[in-house]
Amino acid sequence: LAKTTQPISMDSYEGQEVNITCSHNNIATNDYITWYQQFPSQGPRFIIQGYKTKVTNEVASLFIPADRKSSTLSLPRVSLSDTAVYYCLVGARGFQKLVFGTGTRLLVSP
Amino acid sequence: EPEVTQTPSHQVTQMGQEVILRCVPISNHLYFYWYRQILGQKVEFLVSFYNNEISEKSEIFDDQFSVERPDGSNFTLKIRSTKLEDSAMYFCASSEVQLRDSNQPQHFGDGTRLSIL
Repeated sequence: LAKTTQPISMDSYEGQEVNITCSHNNIATNDYITWYQQFPSQGPRFIIQGYKTKVTNEVASLFIPADRKSSTLSLPRVSLSDTAVYYCLVGARGFQKLVFGTGTRLLVSP
Repeated sequence: EPEVTQTPSHQVTQMGQEVILRCVPISNHLYFYWYRQILGQKVEFLVSFYNNEISEKSEIFDDQFSVERPDGSNFTLKIRSTKLEDSAMYFCASSEVQLRDSNQPQHFGDGTRLSIL
Protein backbone atom coordinates (compact mmCIF):
# COMPACT_ATOMS: atom_id res chain seq x y z
CA LEU A 1 0.00 0.00 0.00
CA ALA A 2 1.35 3.41 -0.96
CA LYS A 3 2.48 5.72 1.82
CA THR A 4 0.70 9.06 2.03
CA THR A 5 1.80 12.41 3.42
CA GLN A 6 -0.61 15.19 4.29
CA PRO A 7 -0.46 18.26 6.53
CA ILE A 8 -1.09 17.59 10.20
CA SER A 9 -3.48 20.49 10.56
CA MET A 10 -5.14 23.36 8.72
CA ASP A 11 -7.17 26.35 9.80
CA SER A 12 -9.88 28.09 7.83
CA TYR A 13 -12.86 30.38 8.21
CA GLU A 14 -16.46 29.82 7.34
CA GLY A 15 -17.25 30.38 3.70
CA GLN A 16 -13.73 29.80 2.46
CA GLU A 17 -12.58 27.09 0.09
CA VAL A 18 -10.21 24.59 1.66
CA ASN A 19 -7.73 22.52 -0.29
CA ILE A 20 -5.96 19.64 1.40
CA THR A 21 -3.13 18.10 -0.59
CA CYS A 22 -1.88 14.57 -0.14
CA SER A 23 1.38 13.18 -1.54
CA HIS A 24 1.57 9.55 -2.62
CA ASN A 25 4.72 9.17 -4.65
CA ASN A 26 4.62 5.38 -4.71
CA ILE A 27 1.07 4.98 -5.94
CA ALA A 28 0.60 1.82 -7.99
CA THR A 29 -1.09 1.65 -11.38
CA ASN A 30 -4.23 0.03 -10.05
CA ASP A 31 -4.53 2.09 -6.87
CA TYR A 32 -7.44 4.39 -6.17
CA ILE A 33 -7.30 7.53 -4.03
CA THR A 34 -9.95 7.77 -1.35
CA TRP A 35 -10.71 10.44 1.22
CA TYR A 36 -12.51 9.90 4.50
CA GLN A 37 -13.72 12.37 7.11
CA GLN A 38 -13.93 11.67 10.84
CA PHE A 39 -15.74 13.70 13.47
CA PRO A 40 -14.91 13.16 17.16
CA SER A 41 -16.43 9.98 18.58
CA GLN A 42 -17.70 8.90 15.17
CA GLY A 43 -16.54 6.44 12.55
CA PRO A 44 -14.75 7.57 9.41
CA ARG A 45 -17.11 8.64 6.66
CA PHE A 46 -16.38 8.19 2.97
CA ILE A 47 -16.18 11.51 1.13
CA ILE A 48 -14.87 10.91 -2.35
CA GLN A 49 -12.77 8.58 -4.46
CA GLY A 50 -10.94 8.94 -7.73
CA TYR A 51 -8.44 7.36 -10.04
CA LYS A 52 -7.35 10.24 -12.25
CA THR A 53 -8.26 13.79 -13.35
CA LYS A 54 -11.15 15.32 -11.44
CA VAL A 55 -14.05 13.90 -9.52
CA THR A 56 -16.84 15.97 -8.01
CA ASN A 57 -19.78 15.07 -5.82
CA GLU A 58 -22.19 17.01 -3.66
CA VAL A 59 -19.65 17.30 -0.85
CA ALA A 60 -16.22 17.84 -2.41
CA SER A 61 -13.98 17.74 -5.44
CA LEU A 62 -10.89 15.63 -5.90
CA PHE A 63 -8.14 16.78 -8.23
CA ILE A 64 -5.57 14.27 -9.40
CA PRO A 65 -2.73 15.34 -11.71
CA ALA A 66 -1.61 13.19 -14.60
CA ASP A 67 1.29 11.60 -12.69
CA ARG A 68 -1.06 10.69 -9.81
CA LYS A 69 1.70 11.29 -7.26
CA SER A 70 -0.50 13.67 -5.34
CA SER A 71 -4.13 14.59 -4.97
CA THR A 72 -6.06 17.56 -3.60
CA LEU A 73 -9.33 17.42 -1.75
CA SER A 74 -11.27 20.63 -2.25
CA LEU A 75 -14.06 21.61 0.12
CA PRO A 76 -16.05 24.56 -1.24
CA ARG A 77 -17.34 27.17 1.21
CA VAL A 78 -16.63 25.32 4.46
CA SER A 79 -18.83 25.68 7.51
CA LEU A 80 -18.18 25.08 11.20
CA SER A 81 -19.53 21.55 10.77
CA ASP A 82 -16.67 20.71 8.42
CA THR A 83 -14.30 20.76 11.38
CA ALA A 84 -12.98 17.19 11.37
CA VAL A 85 -10.00 15.01 10.56
CA TYR A 86 -9.57 14.24 6.87
CA TYR A 87 -7.72 11.12 5.76
CA CYS A 88 -6.18 10.43 2.39
CA LEU A 89 -5.86 6.73 1.61
CA VAL A 90 -4.28 5.10 -1.41
CA GLY A 91 -4.67 1.53 -2.45
CA ALA A 92 -7.69 0.02 -0.71
CA ARG A 93 -8.37 -2.08 -3.72
CA GLY A 94 -10.91 -4.84 -3.58
CA PHE A 95 -11.73 -5.52 0.03
CA GLN A 96 -8.23 -4.86 1.30
CA LYS A 97 -7.82 -3.29 4.68
CA LEU A 98 -7.82 0.48 4.92
CA VAL A 99 -4.59 1.90 6.33
CA PHE A 100 -5.23 5.21 8.03
CA GLY A 101 -2.51 7.74 8.74
CA THR A 102 -2.83 10.58 11.20
CA GLY A 103 -4.86 12.65 8.74
CA THR A 104 -5.29 16.42 8.51
CA ARG A 105 -7.11 18.09 11.35
CA LEU A 106 -9.18 20.90 9.84
CA LEU A 107 -10.46 23.60 12.16
CA VAL A 108 -13.07 25.97 10.74
CA SER A 109 -13.63 29.14 12.72
CA PRO A 110 -16.44 31.70 12.52
CA GLU B 1 -29.38 6.54 3.54
CA PRO B 2 -28.61 3.03 4.83
CA GLU B 3 -26.08 2.89 7.60
CA VAL B 4 -24.01 0.52 9.68
CA THR B 5 -25.29 0.30 13.25
CA GLN B 6 -23.30 -0.78 16.26
CA THR B 7 -24.34 -1.73 19.76
CA PRO B 8 -23.73 -0.94 22.49
CA SER B 9 -22.42 2.58 22.07
CA HIS B 10 -20.43 2.22 25.29
CA GLN B 11 -19.34 -0.96 27.06
CA VAL B 12 -17.62 -1.02 30.43
CA THR B 13 -16.09 -4.34 31.43
CA GLN B 14 -13.81 -5.69 34.13
CA MET B 15 -10.41 -6.87 33.01
CA GLY B 16 -10.42 -10.56 32.23
CA GLN B 17 -14.04 -10.66 31.17
CA GLU B 18 -15.32 -11.44 27.71
CA VAL B 19 -17.13 -8.87 25.59
CA ILE B 20 -19.14 -9.13 22.40
CA LEU B 21 -19.49 -6.08 20.20
CA ARG B 22 -22.34 -6.17 17.73
CA CYS B 23 -22.77 -4.68 14.30
CA VAL B 24 -25.51 -4.69 11.71
CA PRO B 25 -23.90 -4.00 8.33
CA ILE B 26 -25.74 -2.41 5.41
CA SER B 27 -28.11 -5.04 4.11
CA ASN B 28 -26.78 -5.65 0.61
CA HIS B 29 -23.12 -5.54 1.63
CA LEU B 30 -21.07 -8.69 1.57
CA TYR B 31 -17.72 -7.58 3.01
CA PHE B 32 -17.34 -6.79 6.68
CA TYR B 33 -14.55 -5.31 8.73
CA TRP B 34 -13.54 -4.39 12.25
CA TYR B 35 -11.20 -1.53 13.11
CA ARG B 36 -10.20 0.00 16.39
CA GLN B 37 -8.96 3.41 17.47
CA ILE B 38 -7.20 3.87 20.76
CA LEU B 39 -7.79 7.35 22.16
CA GLY B 40 -5.65 9.89 20.32
CA GLN B 41 -4.22 7.33 17.92
CA LYS B 42 -4.81 6.15 14.36
CA VAL B 43 -7.64 3.98 13.17
CA GLU B 44 -6.21 0.44 12.95
CA PHE B 45 -7.44 -2.47 10.88
CA LEU B 46 -8.30 -5.63 12.79
CA VAL B 47 -9.99 -8.06 10.41
CA SER B 48 -11.95 -8.43 7.20
CA PHE B 49 -14.61 -11.05 6.62
CA TYR B 50 -16.25 -12.39 3.48
CA ASN B 51 -18.29 -15.45 2.64
CA ASN B 52 -18.33 -16.56 6.27
CA GLU B 53 -14.62 -16.60 6.73
CA ILE B 54 -11.79 -14.27 7.63
CA SER B 55 -10.15 -12.76 4.54
CA GLU B 56 -7.35 -10.90 6.25
CA LYS B 57 -6.35 -10.08 9.78
CA SER B 58 -3.77 -7.84 11.38
CA GLU B 59 -1.19 -8.68 14.02
CA ILE B 60 -3.51 -7.17 16.60
CA PHE B 61 -6.15 -9.79 15.83
CA ASP B 62 -4.66 -12.64 17.84
CA ASP B 63 -6.33 -15.62 19.52
CA GLN B 64 -8.02 -13.30 21.96
CA PHE B 65 -10.27 -12.05 19.17
CA SER B 66 -12.88 -13.78 17.05
CA VAL B 67 -15.58 -12.72 14.60
CA GLU B 68 -18.83 -14.30 13.64
CA ARG B 69 -21.83 -13.73 11.46
CA PRO B 70 -24.39 -15.66 13.50
CA ASP B 71 -27.31 -14.84 11.23
CA GLY B 72 -28.08 -12.93 8.06
CA SER B 73 -27.83 -9.51 9.61
CA ASN B 74 -25.41 -9.38 12.53
CA PHE B 75 -21.63 -9.33 12.57
CA THR B 76 -19.93 -9.66 15.93
CA LEU B 77 -16.49 -9.17 17.43
CA LYS B 78 -15.70 -11.19 20.54
CA ILE B 79 -12.81 -10.29 22.79
CA ARG B 80 -11.91 -12.93 25.34
CA SER B 81 -10.11 -12.23 28.59
CA THR B 82 -9.99 -8.48 28.06
CA LYS B 83 -6.95 -6.45 28.98
CA LEU B 84 -6.57 -2.80 29.93
CA GLU B 85 -4.97 -2.10 26.56
CA ASP B 86 -8.09 -3.30 24.75
CA SER B 87 -9.78 -0.05 25.75
CA ALA B 88 -10.57 1.73 22.49
CA MET B 89 -13.28 2.68 20.03
CA TYR B 90 -14.19 -0.31 17.88
CA PHE B 91 -15.63 0.42 14.47
CA CYS B 92 -17.46 -1.97 12.22
CA ALA B 93 -17.55 -1.33 8.48
CA SER B 94 -19.07 -2.95 5.43
CA SER B 95 -18.79 -2.65 1.68
CA GLU B 96 -20.48 -3.87 -1.46
CA VAL B 97 -19.22 -6.46 -3.86
CA GLN B 98 -15.78 -5.41 -5.02
CA LEU B 99 -15.38 -5.13 -8.77
CA ARG B 100 -12.11 -5.60 -10.53
CA ASP B 101 -12.13 -2.16 -12.12
CA SER B 102 -13.50 -0.12 -9.26
CA ASN B 103 -13.19 0.14 -5.57
CA GLN B 104 -16.22 0.14 -3.36
CA PRO B 105 -15.82 2.38 -0.30
CA GLN B 106 -16.21 1.05 3.19
CA HIS B 107 -19.07 2.41 5.27
CA PHE B 108 -18.42 2.73 8.99
CA GLY B 109 -20.63 2.64 12.02
CA ASP B 110 -20.20 5.14 14.84
CA GLY B 111 -18.40 2.65 17.00
CA THR B 112 -18.51 1.07 20.42
CA ARG B 113 -16.42 2.68 23.09
CA LEU B 114 -14.93 -0.16 25.11
CA SER B 115 -13.58 0.69 28.54
CA ILE B 116 -11.71 -2.00 30.45
CA LEU B 117 -11.38 -1.42 34.19
